[in-house]
Amino acid sequence: DVKVTQSSRYLVKRTGEKVFLECVQDMDHENMFWYRQDPGLGLRLIYFSYDVKMKEKGDIPEGYSVSREKKERFSLILESASTNQTSMYLCASSQQGSGNTIYFGEGSWLTVV
Amino acid sequence: GENVEQHPSTLSVQEGDSAVIKCTYSDSASNYFPWYKQELGKGPQLIIDIRSNVGEKKDQRIAVTLNKTAKHFSLHITETQPEDSAVYFCAASMTGGYQKVTFGTGTKLQVIP
Repeated sequence: DVKVTQSSRYLVKRTGEKVFLECVQDMDHENMFWYRQDPGLGLRLIYFSYDVKMKEKGDIPEGYSVSREKKERFSLILESASTNQTSMYLCASSQQGSGNTIYFGEGSWLTVV
Repeated sequence: GENVEQHPSTLSVQEGDSAVIKCTYSDSASNYFPWYKQELGKGPQLIIDIRSNVGEKKDQRIAVTLNKTAKHFSLHITETQPEDSAVYFCAASMTGGYQKVTFGTGTKLQVIP
């Protein structure tokens, strides 16, 4: 069974803290993604990676960075968390190319106070 | 870039009735249209997809139709059941190489027993 695992389901962080969201997939997928989900806004792409050490900006990259040192792991970093980054964060992966199923993790609820 | 609009944002139906969710897209080059279902507390999961070389696809109680000329596609759920209650997302992308998947804003479907 395919699996995308997000290590933290619920986090509460203070404004200005550095936050790491970790994601691991066990499907040997080349592509990995970080989305943000907010009510009424759907799923918005923050960053994606199509290979180890490669990254591309999505629609809303401001305030975020990513790291992909190993094929199975993709980390989202909030360098200095702000209250407007309170949201649900979804990690996902897919096989190389397009038109392939995207598999999502269960999400990480981040509250910045 | 691609823009996907999804309607309605909420939908309530009686158990056993049909539900229809509609999406429009802006980029005529898009040729892959997946639908995802997100149950409470979980990540989205692919339920059906359609490619632009077909006009309709069915899988048991769910079906998707595509009108390339009008640039819209729809999800149809027949004989709805309480377990169909979830948030549904449509999406659009192009195939070939890596192409970004653009999601709609989601429809919260409630099936009333």
